[in-house]
Amino acid sequence: GENVEQHPSTLSVQEGDSAVIKCTYSDSASNYFPWYKQELGKGPQLIIDIRSNVGEKKDQRIAVTLNKTAKHFSLHITETQPEDSAVYFCAAPISSGYALNFGKGTSLLVTP
Amino acid sequence: DTAVSQTPKYLVTQMGNDKSIKCEQNLGHDTMYWYKQDSKKFLKIMFSYNNKELIINETVPNRFSPKSPDKAHLNLHINSLELGDSAVYFCASSQAGGDEQYFGPGTRLTVT
Repeated sequence: GENVEQHPSTLSVQEGDSAVIKCTYSDSASNYFPWYKQELGKGPQLIIDIRSNVGEKKDQRIAVTLNKTAKHFSLHITETQPEDSAVYFCAAPISSGYALNFGKGTSLLVTP
Repeated sequence: DTAVSQTPKYLVTQMGNDKSIKCEQNLGHDTMYWYKQDSKKFLKIMFSYNNKELIINETVPNRFSPKSPDKAHLNLHINSLELGDSAVYFCASSQAGGDEQYFGPGTRLTVT
């Protein structure tokens, strides 16, 4: 929570390659880390999330890893497809838990 | 069925006017939010409500006044619109604070 840093700001990969986006957070009490995908002209869509009691979670081609000691978490997309092209946001709760602090987003482009 | 809906989708108005944006969720959630996304895609919390009660007001000018007539609705009224208010405003909801948040499609506000 509080400050969430996200890197890179842009990422271009070839179709079929993997993509990794990394985030760090500052509040060691944070316990929930969602990832959102935002397509042009649409609202952010929750694609995967992880809670602090696990280190990794997978859902088909996407996975999220969490390192609580280092206070960072990452999104991994394997076998990327052109339809994965979008802006991806990581987030963590603010201290009260009643809102999210978002990273500044990563614009992912998957070229055929 | 749309889970979180907002109206209007686009809003173009002149400086000094007063406008409202409406949000409704049919997920049965207790918590609703307003976020602002600026031209650089940065998402920032404005307000959160839990069971119709204001929980968070994040340094938002008094010209912005949220109203929650019931748990399924959270409207945003903006007085004396300024050029800097131009942005995309997203409504979101979750079962409770700290739970998964689901976003609406957004309202693009343009102040001329």
